[in-house]
Amino acid sequence: GEDVEQSLFLSVREGDSSVINCTYTDSSSTYLYWYKQEPGAGLQLLTYIFSNMDMKQDQRLTVLLNKKDKHLSLRIADTQTGDSAIYFCAETGTASKLTFGTGTRLQVTL
Amino acid sequence: DTEVTQTPKHLVMGMTNKKSLKCEQHMGHRAMYWYKQKAKKPPELMFVYSYEKLSINESVPSRFSPECPNSSLLNLHLHALQPEDSALYLCASSQGEFSYEQYFGPGTRLTVT
Repeated sequence: GEDVEQSLFLSVREGDSSVINCTYTDSSSTYLYWYKQEPGAGLQLLTYIFSNMDMKQDQRLTVLLNKKDKHLSLRIADTQTGDSAIYFCAETGTASKLTFGTGTRLQVTL
Repeated sequence: DTEVTQTPKHLVMGMTNKKSLKCEQHMGHRAMYWYKQKAKKPPELMFVYSYEKLSINESVPSRFSPECPNSSLLNLHLHALQPEDSALYLCASSQGEFSYEQYFGPGTRLTVT
């Protein structure tokens, strides 16, 4: 089945850029997403990218997609304490359903 | 309005109780989903409703019973749950089944004692 992997933890200083990485195995992925989950809350869709794109920018967020290496990244510019959360990448592909990555906990320190 | 609401926010129930979780959206979405999320894990799909009909059941035990009374509402009826069913239950909706934007509710934190 499809597999989506992320590193578990990332710590950055306030004001620095954060880069959260994700790898996936489904070569037929059509859409790839980034969701944010704050403690005790639901998932907030941050952004998504269609598989025929290689970059998408939305204010402080930049998504890069390397389809050849099946690698997705989310860059958050000027990271703030409010960005502290768990970030899930997700994809829809062969199985059509949304397959989530393992989640990366972002800690922003002062 | 991109809001999905869920009630209750928290629920504690015994193993012999019957309770229901409720989800509502007014975005005109025709697909609605139930996910289960254990601590420090990604959400796991349980059920999908498309145009008010059950489309996918991910081999969920029968003690979980979904219901879609109309296009805006989704219920999850709970009966004879086990302590390992304690989790955050998330509802989501999208324009069509697995169309690219799924909007999630805040979840119901369920504890089974």
